[in-house]
Amino acid sequence: DQQVKQNSPSLSVQEGRISILNCDYTNSMFDYFLWYKKYPAEGPTFLISISSIKDKNEDGRFTVFLNKSAKHLSLHIVPSQPGDSAVYFCAASSQSGGGADGLTFGKGTHLIIQP
Amino acid sequence: DGGITQSPKYLFRKEGQNVTLSCEQNLNHDAMYWYRQDPGQGLRLIYYSQIVNDFQKGDIAEGYSVSREKKESFPLTVTSAQKNPTAFYLCASRRGLKETQYFGPGTRLLVL
Repeated sequence: DQQVKQNSPSLSVQEGRISILNCDYTNSMFDYFLWYKKYPAEGPTFLISISSIKDKNEDGRFTVFLNKSAKHLSLHIVPSQPGDSAVYFCAASSQSGGGADGLTFGKGTHLIIQP
Repeated sequence: DGGITQSPKYLFRKEGQNVTLSCEQNLNHDAMYWYRQDPGQGLRLIYYSQIVNDFQKGDIAEGYSVSREKKESFPLTVTSAQKNPTAFYLCASRRGLKETQYFGPGTRLLVL
């Protein structure tokens, strides 16, 4: 039973356009969400996070939107650049429960930015 | 230069052998974690530790063991009981329970 789902294994976007990566979750206890970027054979790099008390968080070209009622979040990258080509993981945790456990990850979406 | 280091980058295990993966951090983080990544899969939690001399099982702890004798170090042993050890292993740490987790570069374990 996957608690965090990224239903698109891959996404191809033209350079300069907007990339939208989606993530759904099923566990109502999740209240903190993160996006990580990962290159092959490297560790994930933290990109941006959002707490459930917010519905939007922005950091430069990256914006994360959270729709709690739909249990859905999305990562927008504008404008998309060639260096953005990587696998993006959505992750979730329950901080109100102490946040002691590790993160629960989706399977990732491979973003390909085409010139 | 603060960060999380993992060694070795590649590790080979023979059948029936125990191997230990190293994870060290100089960030003064309290909590440390071990994850496993398989091809086409997300990361799955093996073990985590919030403080020295204490650790908890994650979702897939069977066949693994850990220790936390020092704040900076959280080694993972892959025992012979782990029947499918081939994977990419990632160590992470975070300062407090409400902080972001940061990852090391990973160790790829292969079975000979």
